[in-house]
Amino acid sequence: SQKIEQNSEALNIQEGKTATLTCNYTNYSPAYLQWYRQDPGRGPVFLLLIRENEKEKRKERLKVTFDTTLKQSLFHITASQPADSATYLCALQPNTGNQFYFGTGTSLTVIP
Amino acid sequence: DTGVSQDPRHKITKRGQNVTFRCDPISEHNRLYWYRQTLGQGPEFLTYFQNEAQLEKSRLLSDRFSAERPKGSFSTLEIQRTEQGDSAMYLCASSSSGMGTDTQYFGPGTRLTVL
Repeated sequence: SQKIEQNSEALNIQEGKTATLTCNYTNYSPAYLQWYRQDPGRGPVFLLLIRENEKEKRKERLKVTFDTTLKQSLFHITASQPADSATYLCALQPNTGNQFYFGTGTSLTVIP
Repeated sequence: DTGVSQDPRHKITKRGQNVTFRCDPISEHNRLYWYRQTLGQGPEFLTYFQNEAQLEKSRLLSDRFSAERPKGSFSTLEIQRTEQGDSAMYLCASSSSGMGTDTQYFGPGTRLTVL
C-alpha cells in the first residue's frame, strides 16, 4: 500500500541549531515533492517544491533534498528561530493524476 | 487579491443535517482542490476541479459528499446527512496550471463539528 511517513511526531531543538525533518514514501512515483508549513488552526502554506530530477533546492534558510532511490526527502531549517515552530508537511504529486498525498506532519518546536 | 477564502470558518451541526461550505479561490487560478484534515493528520484529498470540470474524486469519498464549481470560479462542498465522523477541518486550495508546477495556495479552512 502507498504510504508517506514523516519523522517522529514532535521535534524539539535549540534556537540557532539546524532542524532536519524527514519524509519517506513507499509505492509512489512522485513527479514533485513539496513542503508546507502549517500553524494551528490555519491552512498549510507552501514553502518549497523539488522535482524528481532535482537533488537539492534552497530558499533562504531552507533546504530540501530529494533522493528517489532512497524514496526520501530531507527538509532542513538552518539557524532555527522560535518563529519557525510549526507543523511541517510533505506532499507528493505522482507523475500520473493530479492528486496530492500529504504526510502526517512533524511538529517542530524551537526552544529559545 | 487576498488569497483563498472559505466560508464559514466554523460550523456546528447536529447529526443528520446537511451542510454546505464555500471556497473562493485566487481569481486567476483554474485548479481547485478540497481536502479534509483531522487532528494530528495531514490533509486528505477529497476532490479536484480544473475550471468547472470535476476531474478526480477520492474513492474514500462517500456519496453523501458532493462538490460543484459552477463557471469555474467559486466551489461548494455539500455533506448530506452528516455523521459524527465527518467532524474535521475542510480545506480548499487553488493553483494555476499555467505556472508549470502545481503549487497550492490553501484557504483558512472550515472547521465542522457534528454533534
